[in-house]
Amino acid sequence: AQSVTQLGSHVSVSEGALVLLRCNYSSSVPPYLFWYVQYPNQGLQLLLKYTTGATLVKGINGFEAEFKKSETSFHLTKPSAHMSDAAEYFCAVTTFTGFQKLVFGTGTRLLVSP
Amino acid sequence: GAVVSQHPSRVICKSGTSVKIECRSLDFQATTMFWYRQFPKKSLMLMATSNEGSKATYEQGVEKDKFLINHASLTLSTLTVTSAHPEDSSFYICSARGQGSNEQFFGPGTRLTVL
Repeated sequence: AQSVTQLGSHVSVSEGALVLLRCNYSSSVPPYLFWYVQYPNQGLQLLLKYTTGATLVKGINGFEAEFKKSETSFHLTKPSAHMSDAAEYFCAVTTFTGFQKLVFGTGTRLLVSP
Repeated sequence: GAVVSQHPSRVICKSGTSVKIECRSLDFQATTMFWYRQFPKKSLMLMATSNEGSKATYEQGVEKDKFLINHASLTLSTLTVTSAHPEDSSFYICSARGQGSNEQFFGPGTRLTVL
């Protein structure tokens, strides 16, 4: 079984500051890892994903994440926050077997102040 | 590409009535569709997984007779909330995955309010 832990239900940064959202996973088989963003009353939009290959993955809107197997982590970063980045962010894990059900973390709300 | 739509986006109904929510993949064939429920300020809870032409697989604790799922074609899945009660009020989100793909594409969600 897989699980995801997102540390910090809320993260506050100033505009222009570094964004770091933490995600740790648990999986007995090689994981596929995803970061999604959700704006109020909307569905989820994929930011980036890791399946195989390069452990540093770049996504949309300047976000990137690094898969660290030794730390079972997949933290999301962005060098400089914009006001438009304020949203809910979900980390998710699945595997390549079966129906590939996504298991989501509890989410982190990113607040960006001027 | 890879657009998933949901209809309706919002629905308000009276207690005891049934509500049907549609999930469509607009530009790809979705061999697998997923239905999630999201409580306010909470994460997504997977309710069920459906494959085209097969019965849905429900997660533990989800009443299959309460939440009827049909995946009759490769582009359409429906979720029917039967005899809805106020505690069924929630944000329901579907996602779709094409054959051989490791990515799910999410619909915009449906806000259900049961009075």
